[in-house]
Amino acid sequence: GNSVTQMEGPVTLSEEAFLTINCTYTATGYPSLFWYVQYPGEGLQLLLKATKADDKGSNKGFEATYRKETTSFHLEKGSVQVSDSAVYFCALTGAAGNKLTFGGGTRVLVKP
Amino acid sequence: NAGVTQTPKFQVLKTGQSMTLQCAQDMNHEYMSWYRQDPGMGLRLIHYSVGAGITDQGEVPNGYNVSRSTTEDFPLRLLSAAPSQTSVYFCASSPRAQLAGGRNEQFFGPGTRLTVL
Repeated sequence: GNSVTQMEGPVTLSEEAFLTINCTYTATGYPSLFWYVQYPGEGLQLLLKATKADDKGSNKGFEATYRKETTSFHLEKGSVQVSDSAVYFCALTGAAGNKLTFGGGTRVLVKP
Repeated sequence: NAGVTQTPKFQVLKTGQSMTLQCAQDMNHEYMSWYRQDPGMGLRLIHYSVGAGITDQGEVPNGYNVSRSTTEDFPLRLLSAAPSQTSVYFCASSPRAQLAGGRNEQFFGPGTRLTVL
């Protein structure tokens, strides 16, 4: 079956530091890949997505590239802010479906 | 649009009690699903529905029932609550993949935090 593995947190950074959260996946066919973000006390929001190999998703300064050869979808941001403190989830859906498979989540804490 | 709404926000139950978590969406989405979120385990799919009258089991369905009588509503029933069901529950909806050109974006509700004593 499908699975997603992402680095465990928490990740603690200073403001303006570079952030990378690693995500690798196992899936048959050509999944769609997502990063969701959960701010404290809230539900999940879609941060960015990519639907085919070599696609780059981007939003709010975050980027991730769909790498089929390494089955990875690492999340990066060049300069984090305190407001980026949240839990980040990598996820995928199968080629034809809506069911999401999530990684375990990575908590990021950005200190001023 | 209100998006996806869930009630209640918080609930405390005793072991053996039953209750229904409510979920509604006003985006005319065909696909709806329930997830539970536990520390370090991400979100796990409980049940899902691809349209009114159609439901199916996800990864962790035991102890939960669902029904889908309308497009808008997708309630989750706990028949006899157990401490292992202490969790945060999220409802989500999306257009069916084929109808949305394969975008598959899901929209999440704010969650229900359930504690079973």
